[in-house]
This record gives sequence, structure tokens and C-alpha cells, in this order.
Amino acid sequence: EDQVTQSPEALRLQEGESSSLNCSYTVSGLRGLFWYRQDPGKGPEFLFTLYSAGEEKEKERLKATLTKKESFLHITAPKPEDSATYLCAAFSGSARQLTFGSGTQLTVLP
Amino acid sequence: DTGVSQDPRHKITKRGQNVTFRCDPISEHNRLYWYRQTLGQGPEFLTYFQNEAQLEKSRLLSDRFSAERPKGSFSTLEIQRTEQGDSAMYLCASSLGAPLNYGYTFGSGTRLTVV
Repeated sequence: EDQVTQSPEALRLQEGESSSLNCSYTVSGLRGLFWYRQDPGKGPEFLFTLYSAGEEKEKERLKATLTKKESFLHITAPKPEDSATYLCAAFSGSARQLTFGSGTQLTVLP
Repeated sequence: DTGVSQDPRHKITKRGQNVTFRCDPISEHNRLYWYRQTLGQGPEFLTYFQNEAQLEKSRLLSDRFSAERPKGSFSTLEIQRTEQGDSAMYLCASSLGAPLNYGYTFGSGTRLTVV
């Protein structure tokens, strides 16, 4: 059974304090690793898809990287508006749906 | 493109009552997914449609749950004889084609509270 684990569960940063979120996965034949942002009371909003180990993608202050066992979401000089829950999800060769982790709740203090 | 629309946004029901939720996907998207999310957890897959055909159901989808997508457009998710454990956010997502190529677009969800 596919499993996705995220850490830490919660992270509080001061504005401008860079950090990384971790997503480790155990899936049968990873086809893609997705990152989503979710604001309270809303559905997940797509950020990135990574397809193979070594791949990196960037969007504003966010950079996602992928290895054979985990993915990282690096946040550089975060701002309070980056506060949200960040979810990662794996799409495996045997599944036709995403398997999500529990998310990291990020709070950026001004 | 108005995104994925879900109705209602919130539903409070008494235990034992039946409830039905509606999802309107992005118009040209032929794939539609239902997920359930409880507080502090990530979304969990429930079921998947390609056009009007229901192609996959999770074991989470007990016989009290039924989903339909008539004519391959909007979809409904019905829960019969609701239980307190059914309290969750029910999310709908749609995709133009293979999710790896096109990704998923999620709606804002229907929050169900069973009292």
C-alpha cells in the first residue's frame, strides 16, 4: 500500500527565516510527486509536479526537489502570506489516484 | 473557466439522515474524483469517474455511500444513514485527462457535520 509521510506536522517561522518541509514516500513505482497548498476552509491548490529523482521546480519563494525516497519543499525568505498547510501527494504506477500525506501547517510570523 | 464548484459549502445534519452533495467540474474535464478530508489529515480517495463511468471505488466507500455522474457532467455523492464518523470535508476534483499530465483542480469542498 502506498504511504506518504510529511514532517514536521507544524512549523512556525519568522518572516524571512528560510526552512524546508519534508515528504517521504513508499509507493509502488512513483509516477509523479505533487505539492499542494491548502488555505483554511478551501480545497488544495496545485503548486508543482515532480516526475523523476533530481528534478527541481521553483515558483516565487518555493522550490521543490525530489529524490528516490523523499521530496523537499524549500521556502526562502517566507512572508506571512505563505502561511498555509502544504500537502504532498504521490501518484504511483499501480494507482489511478493521489495518495496524500497529512500535511505541514506553516505559520509565518511578521 | 469558473473552476470546480461544490454545493453546499456547509451541511449540518442529524445522525441517521441522508445527505447529498453536488460537484460541477470544469466543463471540458472528463475525469472527476471525490476525496474526503478530516481535520489535520490529508485528503483520502473515495471514488473516480471517467465521463459517466465509475472506474474505481476505495474501500472507504461503504455501502452507505453512493456516487453518480449522469451524462458525464456534474456528480453527486450521497451518504445514507449518516454517522458521526462521516463528519469531514468532502472534496471534488476534476482533470482534463491523465492526472500526471494535466493535474487535478480541486473545489472548495463541502463540510459535513453530523450531530
